[in-house]
Amino acid sequence: GQQVMQIPQYQHVQEGEDFTTYCNSSTTLSNIQWYKQRPGGHPVFLIQLVKSGEVKKQKRLTFQFGEAKKNSSLHITATQTTDVGTYFCGDTGNQFYFGTGTSLTVIP
Amino acid sequence: DAGVIQSPRHEVTEMGQEVTLRCKPISGHNSLFWYRQTMMRGLELLIYFNNNVPIDDSGMPEDRFSAKMPNASFSTLKIQPSEPRDSAVYFCASSLKQNTEAFFGQGTRLTVV
Repeated sequence: GQQVMQIPQYQHVQEGEDFTTYCNSSTTLSNIQWYKQRPGGHPVFLIQLVKSGEVKKQKRLTFQFGEAKKNSSLHITATQTTDVGTYFCGDTGNQFYFGTGTSLTVIP
Repeated sequence: DAGVIQSPRHEVTEMGQEVTLRCKPISGHNSLFWYRQTMMRGLELLIYFNNNVPIDDSGMPEDRFSAKMPNASFSTLKIQPSEPRDSAVYFCASSLKQNTEAFFGQGTRLTVV
């Protein structure tokens, strides 16, 4: 199946620092969705990006879709301990393939 | 709505046994997905149904795995015979239609010993 890569795989930050995860595909993505999975939990939808170059914000979270629709990023400003979890991007084309995920640890 | 409901939440079985995982999608949702999650391989799409019809099963690991959706409110994922390497968390998710938000169940943690 299609492969969507995310970097980094793991990230440890001090509380208050910023965090960014990147989602990259070798092929053009239809739309992209971002999900968060808390430890021991299930993925929960955060947002969907549709348009080339689109930027959306949710409080401290900023989501961006690349101009070529081959990459996306999620940036968290001033991380909090509640941001801990794994962040997945997903291509929602005909199927629903997820990226490899970035596991975020926030050190108080 | 109670959301996507999966059962059982935990399953421990011996190698060689048949395992059946169950999923009830959100009422009115037309798309249903089965995923397997492991530390090594992340979140893998196993199979995808649209309007109860399997659209893509290319992610199903091998013939030991089979999935059915006999009606809009129920799906099963069966592993026969099970092997220790099948140990993982299996998620079911549903969405209203293509390109819309997917809602995940709580998952079934399968351990094959």
